[in-house]
Amino acid sequence: EADIYQTPRYLVIGTGKKITLECSQTMGHDKMYWYQQDPGMELHLIHYSYGVNSTEKGDLSSESTVSRIRTEHFPLTLESARPSHTSQYLCASSEYAGRDTEAFFGQGTRLTVV
Amino acid sequence: AQSVAQPEDQVNVAEGNPLTVKCTYSVSGNPYLFWYVQYPNRGLQFLLKYITGDNLVKGSYGFEAEFNKSQTSFHLKKPSALVSDSALYFCAVIQAGTALIFGKGTTLSVSS
Repeated sequence: EADIYQTPRYLVIGTGKKITLECSQTMGHDKMYWYQQDPGMELHLIHYSYGVNSTEKGDLSSESTVSRIRTEHFPLTLESARPSHTSQYLCASSEYAGRDTEAFFGQGTRLTVV
Repeated sequence: AQSVAQPEDQVNVAEGNPLTVKCTYSVSGNPYLFWYVQYPNRGLQFLLKYITGDNLVKGSYGFEAEFNKSQTSFHLKKPSALVSDSALYFCAVIQAGTALIFGKGTTLSVSS
């Protein structure tokens, strides 16, 4: 099992609330990613990071923000949750030492916005 | 821009028969290619990768994949399918230094 952790595993929250999904990895990986996935469907890239103080936008970045203050931590924040945000959110990390390698995934956070 | 396509939404195969899950890609330069598997209510598990070297790469659980540069393909294969192989399979590509992009996934169903 890869050492990448997401909390909470499940979250039910009301519309308009601000939420932060946590992701931590203990592997010292430089690159980290956030993806959104509806059950059984494709993964959509939200944000990614090359390392500390680096963040990049993916296709679904407009309604969320990320920060990378520490190598091991890459939280995702939704400023105002909407029912359309109901989905599973997957965090991943990978090593990058001049060459990309495979990414390791957390177990995911299943978010329901009511 | 990089992209990856999985042309089949679902692949059905009988247990014991060989299986193939198809993937084609588009990148500038040399691709880094990956296959992942997802079981219900779980995260993604890495199966195998092609970075450089032999075109046939072997991975976990008896899976292998063949990189074909001229056809820009990276098909996943297994000589003898098991019922427990039934899952959702994703092909992914990364263009050096950018983000990991996934195909839409292929559901593999192995019948006993």
